[in-house]
Amino acid sequence: DQQVKQNSPSLSVQEGRISILNCDYTNSMFDYFLWYKKYPAEGPTFLISISSIKDKNEDGRFTVFLNKSAKHLSLHIVPSQPGDSAVYFCAASAQETSGSRLTFGEGTQLTVNP
Amino acid sequence: NAGVMQNPRHLVRRRGQEARLRCSPMKGHSHVYWYRQLPEEGLKFMVYLQKENIIDESGMPKERFSAEFPKEGPSILRIQQVVRGDSAAYFCASSKGAYGFGYTFGSGTRLTVV
Repeated sequence: DQQVKQNSPSLSVQEGRISILNCDYTNSMFDYFLWYKKYPAEGPTFLISISSIKDKNEDGRFTVFLNKSAKHLSLHIVPSQPGDSAVYFCAASAQETSGSRLTFGEGTQLTVNP
Repeated sequence: NAGVMQNPRHLVRRRGQEARLRCSPMKGHSHVYWYRQLPEEGLKFMVYLQKENIIDESGMPKERFSAEFPKEGPSILRIQQVVRGDSAAYFCASSKGAYGFGYTFGSGTRLTVV
């Protein structure tokens, strides 16, 4: 039962353009969402998060949007840079029922072409 | 200020042997989480520990797997009688307190069972 899904295994964009990574979830108890970035042979690195009481959170070039009614979130990176090329994981948590446990999506490989 | 340290980085075991994976959390962190990433999949939660206590082991396989976080020393994830299906990347993360969202991951241990 995949509660967090990233339907695009890969995404390729040109440097300077916008990258949009999508994530869908099914568990309505999820109330906190995070994006992680992962380079090969390294652990995931926290990027940005959003609480379910908000619909947008911005940090520099990274913005996360949450649509609770659609159970959908997205990560926007603008402008995209070659160094952003990595695997991006969406993760979710239900604080009341699972505390610190995170449920991850399968990941999307982002390639930013110079 | 060292991050989360995992060792070994790579571990090769023959079927039936035991695998021991170690994780030293960041300084000042007393909460440790273990996740497993199978090939082509996202990270899956295994266990959440505090010093000398297992808080949530709902993601741990019922047999052959165990985890501990003693008062002194690193957290250990132990896999007895390994099988080929145990081949995966095992990531440890740590946080200062509970609900440590955006917690810091180590670089992982890549276990290969031959």
